[in-house]
Amino acid sequence: DVQMTQSPSYLAASPGESVSISCKASKSINTYLAWYQEKPGKTNKLLIYSGSTLQSGTPSRFSGSGSGTDFTLTIRSLEPEDFAVYYCQQHNEYPLTFGSGTKLEIK
Amino acid sequence: EVQLVESGGGLVQPGSSLKLSCVASGFTFSNYGMNWIRQAPKKGLEWIALIYYDSSNKYYADSVKGRFTISRDNSKNTLYLEMNSLRSEDTAMYYCAKGRTGDWGQGVMVTVSS
Repeated sequence: DVQMTQSPSYLAASPGESVSISCKASKSINTYLAWYQEKPGKTNKLLIYSGSTLQSGTPSRFSGSGSGTDFTLTIRSLEPEDFAVYYCQQHNEYPLTFGSGTKLEIK
Repeated sequence: EVQLVESGGGLVQPGSSLKLSCVASGFTFSNYGMNWIRQAPKKGLEWIALIYYDSSNKYYADSVKGRFTISRDNSKNTLYLEMNSLRSEDTAMYYCAKGRTGDWGQGVMVTVSS
């Protein structure tokens, strides 16, 4: 199974700032990496898939990069609604595997 | 708009059975493979089962193989997870999810406890 290591587990930032979250795979997953946003009372929202492709409706301040084993989610100019938990997930092979999550809180 | 609505969760005793359902709408259900994913309290997300769009193939995580059965009824746009021989470690929020990446339901809680 592909192990996904996500960091940091916790991140505090202010609205308007930019942040980055890292996700590393234990072996190459090509570009098959997705990012999800989790908010209380809402379904998990797919933000990005295939490493850098924005899902329809994802604001352009979100971007994804990387290939092989190293990936990054960057959120530019944080908005109040961006404070949430973010997960990475590899979709290169089954079993699908997930990072442990990053909680982004308001500083 | 894609909607996935799970139901059937609850509190059960160890060794018992439970069947979860997930009703899909807003997309052509019969065109997509579907997954069950779970998250135990304070733990990470764990994929547990996949069923192909036409039920031709089914795959399971080792942690549930032989105890859980995934199935679907494309005429009813519904995905199922039959869970037998439940253990305390099966306590989790269970989500159905469309495809390898995509929409998830809101989840249903399963608690296995005596």
